[in-house]
Amino acid sequence: EAGVAQSPRYKIIEKRQSVAFWCNPISGHATLYWYQQILGQGPKLLIQFQNNGVVDDSQLPKDRFSAERLKGVDSTLKIQPAKLEDSAVYLCASSHSGQETQYFGPGTRLLVL
Amino acid sequence: QKEVEQDPGPLSVPEGAIVSLNCTYSNSAFQYFMWYRQYSRKGPELLMYTYSSGNKEDGRFTAQVDKSSKYISLFIRDSQPSDSATYLCAMRPSNDYKLSFGAGTTVTVRA
Repeated sequence: EAGVAQSPRYKIIEKRQSVAFWCNPISGHATLYWYQQILGQGPKLLIQFQNNGVVDDSQLPKDRFSAERLKGVDSTLKIQPAKLEDSAVYLCASSHSGQETQYFGPGTRLLVL
Repeated sequence: QKEVEQDPGPLSVPEGAIVSLNCTYSNSAFQYFMWYRQYSRKGPELLMYTYSSGNKEDGRFTAQVDKSSKYISLFIRDSQPSDSATYLCAMRPSNDYKLSFGAGTTVTVRA
């Protein structure tokens, strides 16, 4: 079974630029999560999708972050414009509906200069 | 105060030692408790999962939950260099799949 795929693996941008991350979950997983992991901290949930609907986006900074999961499969997370404090690893995870185990991708490491 | 506090580490132990990792939490609604292992530049992977209070053993790993003290632990027996990683505790209420993570403890097992 293929794991969660994410791209790009690394991205360096200047502040005020925009950036997009892509995630392809494990086949058949209806639930998809985006997390932000700042260096030295645990992952923080940004948004959770169930199929193509948003379940929880309470911690997503909606003035600059947006996410979509068209067709209920892969997903894109965008930051526009980026700030220095957005430097972090952005992790995507997926799970079967109602299942405990979340499977994480390798993450996208973002550095904002 | 953070919702989940984890011993910061780092920990460095010789091969074969017992590793003890701990987290405390403030939200009494948490019912499900997990430990994730994260290797450098990889995503976290679920290691252990327990519901409510009690112990759970899986090979060299033992997870303990004490809800009365709001305290969870992970023990690694006969530690191996391959156990060198960052260990994250995570937890959630029964009615919400949103996980609250600790900051992680980095463990190095010396050969």
